[in-house]
Amino acid sequence: AQSVTQPDIHITVSEGASLELRCNYSYGATPYLFWYVQSPGQGLQLLLKYFSGDTLVQGIKGFEAEFKRSQSSFNLRKPSVHWSDAAEYFCAGGGSNYKLTFGKGTLLTVNP
Amino acid sequence: DAGVIQSPRHEVTEMGQEVTLRCKPISGHNSLFWYRQTMMRGLELLIYFNNNVPIDDSGMPEDRFSAKMPNASFSTLKIQPSEPRDSAVYFCASSPGPGNTIYFGEGSWLTVV
Repeated sequence: AQSVTQPDIHITVSEGASLELRCNYSYGATPYLFWYVQSPGQGLQLLLKYFSGDTLVQGIKGFEAEFKRSQSSFNLRKPSVHWSDAAEYFCAGGGSNYKLTFGKGTLLTVNP
Repeated sequence: DAGVIQSPRHEVTEMGQEVTLRCKPISGHNSLFWYRQTMMRGLELLIYFNNNVPIDDSGMPEDRFSAKMPNASFSTLKIQPSEPRDSAVYFCASSPGPGNTIYFGEGSWLTVV
């Protein structure tokens, strides 16, 4: 069965520090992969997506993610975190059909 | 360009009452989704429409839930009668088509007391 796993429920980093949020997927073929961010009381905003091609994907707000087939991973990174990045982050995977499988989310806390 | 528009943003209702949530997808998008988000279960797909036709409603919890899409620019999710366990955030989302990026609305925060 298709699945997306975010191993970390909660991560705390200091402002200015680097960030990496982990995402692992289990799919029969190469999936379409997404990262969404949800601020408190808000909807899900698309950060970036990978469909094919270059495995390093740039997104909005200075985020990037790298698709690694050998590790079945699509980790989200940011070199320097800002206080406004505090939110919940969701990794999601899908295929050529409509089904999108979401991870359980990683809550990011940013310390001043 | 306007995103997915949902209403109401917040609703508090009493158990047993009917609740209707509304959604206007992004213009030109052929796929529409209703998701439910809770702490316990995360994001769940309730129902998927393509070209206004319900394709997959396997996620609809029970007969109390129903969804319609009378035209390409409007959909409703109805709960009748509502129960406290229906309290959740309900998201409408749309996509240009299967396999494309899904864009979410701001959500409808439902509390049933």
